[in-house]
Amino acid sequence: DTAVSQTPKYLVTQMGNDKSIKCEQNLGHDTMYWYKQDSKKFLKIMFSYNNKELIINETVPNRFSPKSPDKAHLNLHINSLELGDSAVYFCASSLRGNIQYFGAGTRLSVL
Amino acid sequence: SQQGEEDPQALSIQEGENATMNCSYKTSINNLQWYRQNSGRGLVHLILIRSNEREKHSGRLRVTLDTSKKSSSLLITASRAADTASYFCATDRMGNQFYFGTGTSLTVIP
Repeated sequence: DTAVSQTPKYLVTQMGNDKSIKCEQNLGHDTMYWYKQDSKKFLKIMFSYNNKELIINETVPNRFSPKSPDKAHLNLHINSLELGDSAVYFCASSLRGNIQYFGAGTRLSVL
Repeated sequence: SQQGEEDPQALSIQEGENATMNCSYKTSINNLQWYRQNSGRGLVHLILIRSNEREKHSGRLRVTLDTSKKSSSLLITASRAADTASYFCATDRMGNQFYFGTGTSLTVIP
């Protein structure tokens, strides 16, 4: 079984649309993360979340919102998509903020 | 910013040679981690070194940490073609937030 799985793997959409990316981990971890990797491979943390605290990177537009139905899931909702949102988005999880396990990524293309 | 910055951006070596890449950061840390990313894949954890450690080994990997210089290095010995990947360092400050850079792209030529 895949430890951290995210869907879809590819997402192509028009500007202005709203989309979601799902992430699930079966490792029993208490913290989950969303990262954005741009075309230059720079990996930027967007959110970290455990059952007590959501930490938001202040540079992330409020069009992006994480939603966690339970400890094993952290979905990413994006409203009013823009061209600059095109990137690869990675979900990750860890236990008490230690070693992170990453999903395979979702490549988002906004046309 | 807190982010780790890897150097060099790209490195190309022959199989069997050693590869060294460096990471610099700006503020105090709890620990520093190195990750590998193969093309089109997610990141995979390689090694974690805590702020009170100076050196750590794992197989062909050797990591050093100099907190006075706010820098770390990753040495891969006897490189193989399968080591071709991007390597990232990650630093933490608040425990639940990790900061990566743009990575070092390593190419090992068979």
